[in-house]
Amino acid sequence: ELKVEQNPLFLSMQEGKNYTIYCNYSTTSDRLYWYRQDPGKSLESLFVLLSNGAVKQEGRLMASLDTKARLSTLHITAAVHDLSATYFCAVGEYGNKLVFGAGTILRVKS
Amino acid sequence: EAQVTQNPRYLITVTGKKLTVTCSQNMNHEYMSWYRQDPGLGLRQIYYSMNVEVTDKGDVPEGYKVSRKEKRNFPLILESPSPNQTSLYFCASSHSLASYEQYFGPGTRLTVT
Repeated sequence: ELKVEQNPLFLSMQEGKNYTIYCNYSTTSDRLYWYRQDPGKSLESLFVLLSNGAVKQEGRLMASLDTKARLSTLHITAAVHDLSATYFCAVGEYGNKLVFGAGTILRVKS
Repeated sequence: EAQVTQNPRYLITVTGKKLTVTCSQNMNHEYMSWYRQDPGLGLRQIYYSMNVEVTDKGDVPEGYKVSRKEKRNFPLILESPSPNQTSLYFCASSHSLASYEQYFGPGTRLTVT
């Protein structure tokens, strides 16, 4: 059974600082997704990572995938208040199932 | 405008009273899915559908039914709701999960008393 673990679950950081959110998963997969959720809102797709070594960047966010280590990272560069949200990773299981991590609540303080 | 719509957005009901939450997308997507979101648990997949008349169980299908008679619609049915189904429900769609991002609906907050 696929398990997806995110660390940390809560992250409070200062504006301008860098930090990384980690997403570990327990069984083989080559599909990993990152989503953002603002309080009281729906989810927004950030990145789709489909192969080992995949790296994608959008603004201050960069996601990478290491399928051998079963690890994805979401790196935040020079955080700004607008990045405050909950970030989820999700991993594709056999067939077309999708298993989500518990989410990382990010608060950026000015 | 490309979107996924859900109705109702909020629902309070009583144990055992059958209900349906509708989901519709206007993007001609093949893949549709239902999730429930509970604090500390992230999102858990209930059912998904690869295309019309093709549905499959996710991780938490017990107590739920779905149907996919038309490509655009994917209703979630609770035949006999119970309090442990109180949750925030999201419908999502994509061209194919393997390669494309999912578009999520606005969510339905369900309370079963």
